[in-house]
Amino acid sequence: GAVVSQHPSRVICKSGTSVKIECRSLDFQATTMFWYRQFPKQSLMLMATSNEGSKATYEQGVEKDKFLINHASLTLSTLTVTSAHPEDSSFYICSAKGQGSSPLHFGNGTRLTVT
Amino acid sequence: KQEVTQIPAALSVPEGENLVLNCSFTDSAIYNLQWFRQDPGKGLTSLLLIQSSQREQTSGRLNASLDKSSGRSTLYIAASQPGDSATYLCAVSKETSGSRLTFGEGTQLTVNP
Repeated sequence: GAVVSQHPSRVICKSGTSVKIECRSLDFQATTMFWYRQFPKQSLMLMATSNEGSKATYEQGVEKDKFLINHASLTLSTLTVTSAHPEDSSFYICSAKGQGSSPLHFGNGTRLTVT
Repeated sequence: KQEVTQIPAALSVPEGENLVLNCSFTDSAIYNLQWFRQDPGKGLTSLLLIQSSQREQTSGRLNASLDKSSGRSTLYIAASQPGDSATYLCAVSKETSGSRLTFGEGTQLTVNP
């Protein structure tokens, strides 16, 4: 079946550095991808929606200059956390969807720790 | 703004027990509702999807019901097994694409052998 691959699964970085997380659809064309953030014992919160070839739409309260999203192809979206701070430490999950009524598929998430 | 609440936050049961997880949402104008399973440190696995026009969906030992007018859904798990231990998330979507989701905080289920 359809698979969404997210990489890396875990990353530790120092404050002030940038981290890039990749989300790939392996056997379907993902016209839309979604990025979520999940803090411990809390729900998934939608950060942004990205459509291939266009700018991402960010949810209220999410800094677009801090969380850069690029959806340059139908199989790849990237989330770059710029100038990371310890409070950015979280679990980031992407999901991807093809055209029409095709189902939504989730990646396995990336655990980001900023020291 | 849509808010999704799940009760209980955590549940521990002995193996073999039948159990019910609850989900409520504040805005009944939804397109669909989904139940997901999340294992620790992992992504989400879709369990059941109920369209707003449907009342329930079944898959194996799982049965999900939807009462859209009252803003409630339940996930029934029959004959629970230790492998069912995970966090169960409820999510609703207002959009016809069904993909922009609002999640509850989940119910952490532990099934003891």
